[in-house]
Amino acid sequence: EDQVTQSPEALRLQEGESSSLNCSYTVSGLRGLFWYRQDPGKGPEFLFTLYSAGEEKEKERLKATLTKKESFLHITAPKPEDSATYLCAAKSGGDMRFGAGTRLTVKP
Amino acid sequence: SAVISQKPSRDICQRGTSLTIQCQVDSQVTMMFWYRQQPGQSLTLIATANQGSEATYESGFVIDKFPISRPNLTFSTLTVSNMSPEDSSIYLCSVQQTGDYGYTFGSGTRLTVV
Repeated sequence: EDQVTQSPEALRLQEGESSSLNCSYTVSGLRGLFWYRQDPGKGPEFLFTLYSAGEEKEKERLKATLTKKESFLHITAPKPEDSATYLCAAKSGGDMRFGAGTRLTVKP
Repeated sequence: SAVISQKPSRDICQRGTSLTIQCQVDSQVTMMFWYRQQPGQSLTLIATANQGSEATYESGFVIDKFPISRPNLTFSTLTVSNMSPEDSSIYLCSVQQTGDYGYTFGSGTRLTVV
C-alpha cells in the first residue's frame, strides 16, 4: 500500500537555526512529490513539485530535494514567519497521498 | 494558478443536521477534489467530482453521507449529511494546477458538530 510518512511531527527552531524536514514515501510509479505549506485556518499552499531522484528546487529560504525513497525540505536561516505546518504528498497514477505534516515553530 | 473561494469558512452545527460547503473556482476545471483533514492527521480524499457525471468516492465514503454536486466547470458543493461529532473536521476542495500535477486548495471549512 502506498504510504507517505513525515518526520518529525513537530520541530521548534530558533530564528536562524537551519534544519531539515523529512518525507519518506513508498508508492509505485511516482509521478510527483509535492510540498505544501499550511497556515492555521487556511488551506495548503503549494510550494514545490519534484519529479525525479536528484532533482532540487529552491524558493527563498526553502530547498526541496528528492531521492528514490525520500524527500527533504531544507530550511536555511528560518524566520518566525516560516512557522507553519509543512505537508508532503506523493502522486502515483491518479492518487495523491499526503503525509500528516511537520509542524514548524520558529522562535525569534 | 487557479483561485478557489470556499465557504463557509467555519460552522458549528447540531448533530443530525446537514451542512453544504461551496467551492467556486475562477477558471474552468475538469476535476475537483474534496478532502477531509482531521486534527493532527493527513488529508484524506473523500471524492473526485467531474462535471456531468457522478462523483467518484474513495473507500470509506458514501454518496448518502457526502453528496456532491458539480453543475458546471467552475463550481461544486459537498454536503455533510446527518452529522455526528465524528464529522468534526476541516473540509477542503482542490483542483489540479495547469501544467503540473500539484493541487491548488481552497481555504477550507472548519466544521464542529455538537
